[in-house]
This record gives sequence, structure tokens and C-alpha cells, in this order.
Amino acid sequence: DAGVTQSPTHLIKTRGQQVTLRCSPKSGHDTVSWYQQALGQGPQFIFQYYEEEERQRGNFPDRFSGHQFPNYSSELNVNALLLGDSALYLCASSLERGGSTDTQYFGPGTRLTVL
Amino acid sequence: AQKITQTQPGMFVQEKEAVTLDCTYDTSDQSYGLFWYKQPSSGEMIFLIYQGSYDEQNATEGRYSLNFQKARKSANLVISASQLGDSAMYFCAMREGTKGRRALTFGSGTRLQVQP
Repeated sequence: DAGVTQSPTHLIKTRGQQVTLRCSPKSGHDTVSWYQQALGQGPQFIFQYYEEEERQRGNFPDRFSGHQFPNYSSELNVNALLLGDSALYLCASSLERGGSTDTQYFGPGTRLTVL
Repeated sequence: AQKITQTQPGMFVQEKEAVTLDCTYDTSDQSYGLFWYKQPSSGEMIFLIYQGSYDEQNATEGRYSLNFQKARKSANLVISASQLGDSAMYFCAMREGTKGRRALTFGSGTRLQVQP
């Protein structure tokens, strides 16, 4: 049973550049959420995708955008990178009709460093 | 106000002993879910245990149990018989409302170190 996968593992960019991070959900899952985890802090919710649409968004600027594909995989795009965007980006998948728990399962993350 | 509060930045426990990690939460929703995740140094968040707001019994998963006190809005994680591999960051999280469309709100975490 394949778990959540993310690519790349690590990424180094410079200020002002754009970056795309990718996520494949756990087998059978249809919902993807993205989180940003700064060093020493808990993850913060960026947005969630279901049926190829963004249906909930956290307190992040429009520089953060995403997409979900028909196979449920997802991309996170960040434009005009700032030093403060350096963080671990976590993708989590869940099943919309997964019962009362609807547990989110996380991938290994992409560590983004902005210089 | 913080929605999830973890007041213990770091905890030490001897191998084979039990340890309790504290978590308090704040919500006005009647329906919500509480989760605990483990994050080793590798970075991946590993799901440990879930407690629904309407669950009458405390959740248990192997060596993990959740001490749910609804009136006090606390959801403490108890790890029994600690192992060296339990050393990691532990995060408490809450999902408000129903269904998986709701975001998880995380606390700041507790770093647990298990000593031999």
C-alpha cells in the first residue's frame, strides 16, 4: 500500500524565484492538504484540494497556489519567493468519505531553502 | 487565543516507563476531532491516535492512549513502556467541524527524549 510521496526531497532557490512542489496521495485517497512547517514550529495549513478544486485555504498570500489533477495528485506553487518561505512543506492526504476520523496521512515533506 | 496549547517544550522519560504529553484545546464547535502525530528527525508526520468529540471512551492504539477530558478541554497522550525509538517531536492537532475538508490546527509540539 503506497503511502504519500513528495518530490523533490530538498530544494534550494533564491529570492524572487518560483518553485513547484509535488505530492502523490496515499492509494485510495482523494483529498490533498498542504502545510508549511517553519523550523521549531507546528505545521500551518496552506490549503486543501478536493475534486480538483481548492475548498479551504489558510492565512497565506496569493503567492501560494495549487492544483489537483484528475489522478488526485497535487502541486504547490510559490511565486516571488521570500527568505521567510524557507520551511518544510508537508503534503497530507485523506479520504473524503473515510468515516468519522478522516485522518490525514502525511508525506516525508520537501525542505525548501530560499537564499 | 491559541487553539491548541502544548505547554511542555521538552520531556525526558526513562526507557520502559510511561509518559504523559499534555494538550489543551479551544473550540466552540460541538463536533471536532483530536489527533496526535509523531515527527522523528526525518520530518515525516506519523499518525498515532484519534479521538472524536462524541467518543465516550478514551482512544487506545497499542502503547498509545488518549486521556480525553472534554469538560477541561484536554487531550493528553499517554505512552506506556517507552522505547528509545519513541524519541521525537509530538504534535497535538484539532480538526473542527465535520468531514475531512477541515484543516488541522497544530500545537507547537513537545520534544520527547527517552533515556536508556
